[in-house]
Amino acid sequence: AQSVTQPDIHITVSEGASLELRCNYSYGATPYLFWYVQSPGQGLQLLLKYFSGDTLVQGIKGFEAEFKRSQSSFNLRKPSVHWSDAAEYFCAVEPLYGGSQGNLIFGKGTKLSVKP
Amino acid sequence: DVKVTQSSRYLVKRTGEKVFLECVQDMDHENMFWYRQDPGLGLRLIYFSYDVKMKEKGDIPEGYSVSREKKERFSLILESASTNQTSMYLCASSLDGGDEKLFFGSGTQLSVL
Repeated sequence: AQSVTQPDIHITVSEGASLELRCNYSYGATPYLFWYVQSPGQGLQLLLKYFSGDTLVQGIKGFEAEFKRSQSSFNLRKPSVHWSDAAEYFCAVEPLYGGSQGNLIFGKGTKLSVKP
Repeated sequence: DVKVTQSSRYLVKRTGEKVFLECVQDMDHENMFWYRQDPGLGLRLIYFSYDVKMKEKGDIPEGYSVSREKKERFSLILESASTNQTSMYLCASSLDGGDEKLFFGSGTQLSVL
């Protein structure tokens, strides 16, 4: 069965420092890959997605992610974190059976705290 | 701007009550989803719907049912609420063939006492 692993439950970084959030997936073929962010008390917002092509994808709010097929990874990065980036981040995979209808499998999330 | 609206932000119910969680989207999306979110477990799919009057079970459908009588509205029903259904419930929608992007509501925090 497809699965998504986010190994870090909670990460704390200093404002201005770089950030990398890890995501690994288990799937036979390359699925569609997503990163969502959830601010406190809010629903989830799409940061970026990878379907095919260039393995480095740019998203909103200065985030980027790199797909590495050999490592089954899709890590999220940001060169300089802002205090407003404090939130919970979810990696997600779309299983490709039954057509594509947005039915995603989510990781358990990584909570990001930002120190001033 | 795209909008997914969940009728209640907070809800408190008693064990055994029938509970309705309502979700409305204004984007004419074909697909709608109900997830529950629990600390340390992430989001788990309960039910989804590809079209009016159609529904599919997700990963954890037990104890829940859904209704989609109109395209814009997708209701989650707890027939007899139990304490283990205390959770944050998130509704989402997506456009068929629309690059798989999910649009989420702000969530309903349900407490079952």
